[in-house]
Amino acid sequence: DIQMTQSPSSLSASVGDRVTITCRASQSISSYLNWYQQKPGKAPKLLIYAASSLQSGVPSRFSGSGSGTDFTLTISSLQPEDFATYYCQQSYTTPLTFGQGTRLEIK
Amino acid sequence: QVQLVQSGAEVKKPGASVKVSCKASGYTFTNYYIHWVRQAPGQGLEWVGIINPGGGSTSYAQKFQGRVTMTRDTSTSTVYMELSSLRSEDTAVYYCARSSVNDAFDIWGQGTMVTVSS
Repeated sequence: DIQMTQSPSSLSASVGDRVTITCRASQSISSYLNWYQQKPGKAPKLLIYAASSLQSGVPSRFSGSGSGTDFTLTISSLQPEDFATYYCQQSYTTPLTFGQGTRLEIK
Repeated sequence: QVQLVQSGAEVKKPGASVKVSCKASGYTFTNYYIHWVRQAPGQGLEWVGIINPGGGSTSYAQKFQGRVTMTRDTSTSTVYMELSSLRSEDTAVYYCARSSVNDAFDIWGQGTMVTVSS
């Protein structure tokens, strides 16, 4: 199975900050990398697919980059509604696997 | 609008089975694969398996092989996930999700809480 490792596991930041979350795959997954945001008690929401494509309706302050084994999710200017948990997911091969999550908290 | 609506919460005893439904609407049911993902309390996301609503083919995570069965009913645009021989570790929220470009999950159900307790 492909292991997905996110860093950091948690992060404290302030409104307006620029934040970067990293995801590393245990083997190359080309650009088969997706990012989700999850708020407590809610289903995850797709933010970025294919490593860098912004899902329709998602604010442009979210961006993704990377290919192969190393990927990043960047939020350019944190808004109050962005405080949540973020997951990366590889869709290169089954079993599809997720990172352990990054909890983004208000400083 | 495009949506997936799941059945309600379940409480089961160890050793029992549970069957969760996921009804699709707002799009052509047979054109998009459906995945099942679970999340134990306070934990991350775990992929359970996938079903092709068009032909009915399935693929399951090795961890659930022999215990999980995914089926679909094209007449009602509904997919089902049945998990048998339940144990306490199966206590989780189970989500269905539609896969789109890059096998990203663009539409999710609201989740179904399954509690396994004696």
